[in-house]
Amino acid sequence: GAVVSQHPSWVICKSGTSVKIECRSLDFQATTMFWYRQFPKQSLMLMATSNEGSKATYEQGVEKDKFLINHASLTLSTLTVTSAHPEDSSFYICSTGQVPGEVYNSPLHFGNGTRLTVT
Amino acid sequence: AQKVTQAQTEISVVEKEDVTLDCVYETRDTTYYLFWYKQPPSGELVFLIRRNSFDEQNEISGRYSWNFQKSTSSFNFTITASQVVDSAVYFCALSEGTSYDKVIFGPGTSLSVIP
Repeated sequence: GAVVSQHPSWVICKSGTSVKIECRSLDFQATTMFWYRQFPKQSLMLMATSNEGSKATYEQGVEKDKFLINHASLTLSTLTVTSAHPEDSSFYICSTGQVPGEVYNSPLHFGNGTRLTVT
Repeated sequence: AQKVTQAQTEISVVEKEDVTLDCVYETRDTTYYLFWYKQPPSGELVFLIRRNSFDEQNEISGRYSWNFQKSTSSFNFTITASQVVDSAVYFCALSEGTSYDKVIFGPGTSLSVIP
């Protein structure tokens, strides 16, 4: 079954509004989660590392004031796109990394992604 | 800095043909992990394989096989007897030992299998 639950799977919002995306780890505690962004026909680019109980670490070129990350519990990280603009339209996907106790060659778990369209 | 290159942007093959997707990586770490993920049009990432840097054995799983060669920093993926359902974007990815679950993806190869 799914290890990571991401919600919503798609969202359409108007320019200037904010959108929150949730990423939940199911049945295990994730002290670290990762957020990726994928523009059409491009690769997944790491945006930030979300750390439970502390500030997120953002990759170079990612605006931390625009993409707010909150990791308030061991099973939930949220990404809020603030004052969204059409250029923020993208596919956002989270990862919880390796589940504790899994063998070294096990998959890293990703959510099913959120397709954001800003009109 | 770590980097993943997938030189083939798009590949088209006729059903039942074999196809190899190339992946070349760069890292300064001696401990690292390599991955292949499949992304169908629906968008979710489907895990195919994870390999650590100390395990150079080639792997076969059904119609899929992987050739890991540290000497050339390559981790190529072959689909034998391709099927239409194999049509997807395939990503090769790398993570380093110090942060093994922080994944850097290659640009992806879009595979189209024509019936």
